[in-house]
Amino acid sequence: DQQVKQNSPSLSVQEGRISILNCDYTNSMFDYFLWYKKYPAEGPTFLISISSIKDKNEDGRFTVFLNKSAKHLSLHIVPSQPGDSAVYFCAASALGSGGSNYKLTFGKGTLLTVNP
Amino acid sequence: GAGVSQTPSNKVTEKGKYVELRCDPISGHTALYWYRQSLGQGPEFLIYFQGTGAADDSGLPNDRFFAVRPEGSVSTLKIQRTERGDSAVYLCASSLVLAGIGEQFFGPGTRLTVL
Repeated sequence: DQQVKQNSPSLSVQEGRISILNCDYTNSMFDYFLWYKKYPAEGPTFLISISSIKDKNEDGRFTVFLNKSAKHLSLHIVPSQPGDSAVYFCAASALGSGGSNYKLTFGKGTLLTVNP
Repeated sequence: GAGVSQTPSNKVTEKGKYVELRCDPISGHTALYWYRQSLGQGPEFLIYFQGTGAADDSGLPNDRFFAVRPEGSVSTLKIQRTERGDSAVYLCASSLVLAGIGEQFFGPGTRLTVL
């Protein structure tokens, strides 16, 4: 049972355009959401996060939007660059009994290709 | 500064054998996590250490899997009687904060292949 779903296995965009990566979740206990980027043969690298008390978080070219009622979040990359080509994972966590958001639940990932 | 390191980077073994996978977290990080990423899937949580103790091992698939962190730094994931279905990339991550939200820093992973 996939609690975090990334329904698009791949996305291809032109350099300079906007990339929009989508993620849906089913567990209403999730209260913290993250995006990770992964290059081949490397571990995932943290990109940006958002708490459930917010609906938008921006960091340079990257913006994450959260729609709690729809249980949906998206990552916008503007403008897209060839170096952004990687697999992007959406992840979520719920406040555990220890008070730490430690157990991340990941989606299957979306392969983004930015063409020069 | 060094990131999370994992050894070996690749491990090929035969069905039924025992393997150990090592993780060196970022110095000073008290929290350590193991994940498993199968082909075409995202990473799946296995176990979380806070210091030397396993605070949550609910993700370990069965009792063939065991992990230790005896001195609160390096961790070893141990798999007994390996099966072909254990083939995956095993990722280790560490983080600094003790409670609340903490960014997890991942290592490059160990690719385990069970023949």
